[in-house]
Amino acid sequence: GAVVSQHPSWVICKSGTSVKIECRSLDFQATTMFWYRQFPKQSLMLMATSNEGSKATYEQGVEKDKFLINHASLTLSTLTVTSAHPEDSSFYICSARVPDLDHSPLHFGNGTRLTVT
Amino acid sequence: GQNIDQPTEMTATEGAIVQINCTYQTSGFNGLFWYQQHAGEAPTFLSYNVLDGLEEKGRFSSFLSRSKGYSYLLLKELQMKDSASYLCASMDSNYQLIWGAGTKLIIKP
Repeated sequence: GAVVSQHPSWVICKSGTSVKIECRSLDFQATTMFWYRQFPKQSLMLMATSNEGSKATYEQGVEKDKFLINHASLTLSTLTVTSAHPEDSSFYICSARVPDLDHSPLHFGNGTRLTVT
Repeated sequence: GQNIDQPTEMTATEGAIVQINCTYQTSGFNGLFWYQQHAGEAPTFLSYNVLDGLEEKGRFSSFLSRSKGYSYLLLKELQMKDSASYLCASMDSNYQLIWGAGTKLIIKP
């Protein structure tokens, strides 16, 4: 089945630094990837849709200059949290669907737990 | 507007059966997904329904009624490892997923 790999699994950083999270589709090419954030005991919240070769589409309320998304190839999307602050501490999860299959499910990476101190 | 409703929490006994309901209202409809999410982990795909009726996969079954905007996930022979959150998601006309808040299922011995 389709596999999505996310790295790192967890990261601790100091306030003011930047953190990059990678999302790879291992056995399929993903023209679109989705980045979610989940705070404890809350539901998944879509942050942005990453499009290969073009700009990402951000959901309302998500700062595009703070959460930089790059989708440079058909198998890799990156999310960079710039100038991280403690309130950015959360569980970040990427996902992708197998293209050309309209009803295919989202396959999720294992998530990245970010803690900003 | 678009809306997905499911219970916040349910409790069941090991070995028993539990049904988790989900109602949805979305702009267009391209199917209903169920995902399982254990605490601290990413969601994993369980089932997909686009036609009315019941889809069975081992101990898990999922049902859809498009006319009622209603789905349920049925878990049989409950095991302790089934303790998790179960997320209902509807795919809209743009093939985007609209997520419910999830149902936390607590299994007691």
